[in-house]
Amino acid sequence: QVQLVQSGAEVKKPGAAVKVSCKASGYSFSSYGISWVRQAPGQGLEWMGWISGNNGNGNYAQKFQGRVTMTTDTSTTTAYMELRSLISDDTAVYYCARGGGYQDSWGQGTLVTVSS
Amino acid sequence: EVVLTQSPGTLSLSPGERATLSCRASQSLSGTNLAWYQQKPGQAPRLLIYGASTRATGIPDRFSGSGSGTDFTLTISRLEPEDFAVYYCQRYGSPYTFGQGTKVEIK
Repeated sequence: QVQLVQSGAEVKKPGAAVKVSCKASGYSFSSYGISWVRQAPGQGLEWMGWISGNNGNGNYAQKFQGRVTMTTDTSTTTAYMELRSLISDDTAVYYCARGGGYQDSWGQGTLVTVSS
Repeated sequence: EVVLTQSPGTLSLSPGERATLSCRASQSLSGTNLAWYQQKPGQAPRLLIYGASTRATGIPDRFSGSGSGTDFTLTISRLEPEDFAVYYCQRYGSPYTFGQGTKVEIK
């Protein structure tokens, strides 16, 4: 079955960067994109961007352009999302999900806390 | 920028009742790139509907989606106890955006 397993919770200081991983299994990794969605405490879902599992193409939400980088490693079927210049408002649960359009399988989420 | 507005914010219903959730787009969506997700506390979202009306794999037929253009609806024909959750609509394909969510709570 399709599984997306994310890395563990992180605590970062303002101005730092965080890199979250998402290990995919149970399907052909190169046939689907990976999207990243975040959710601040008590808030709704916010789409960050997506990356192809095949050729590294994709696109980022305008809000995050210049501050986020999404990559994939097809040899380990793992996707990564790096967010830089963190501020307190970046405190959220970050999800990876299969699909560059709609998302049909989701990781368990990674809590990133930004605090001095 | 496309804005999705969901209504109502909260829907208070009893098990067995029908739930009707609305998602309105600020401009007409080309095609039917509209999805619905369910999220329970402490869990990741779960895809229910894509293409405005196609149920995802394993989703019970009490869930149905409809609509086009700017107005979309998720209907739960008879609420089961496990259906009380928050529901989000999503426009996918550039630009991507989520609605703010509708909470379906037990009355």
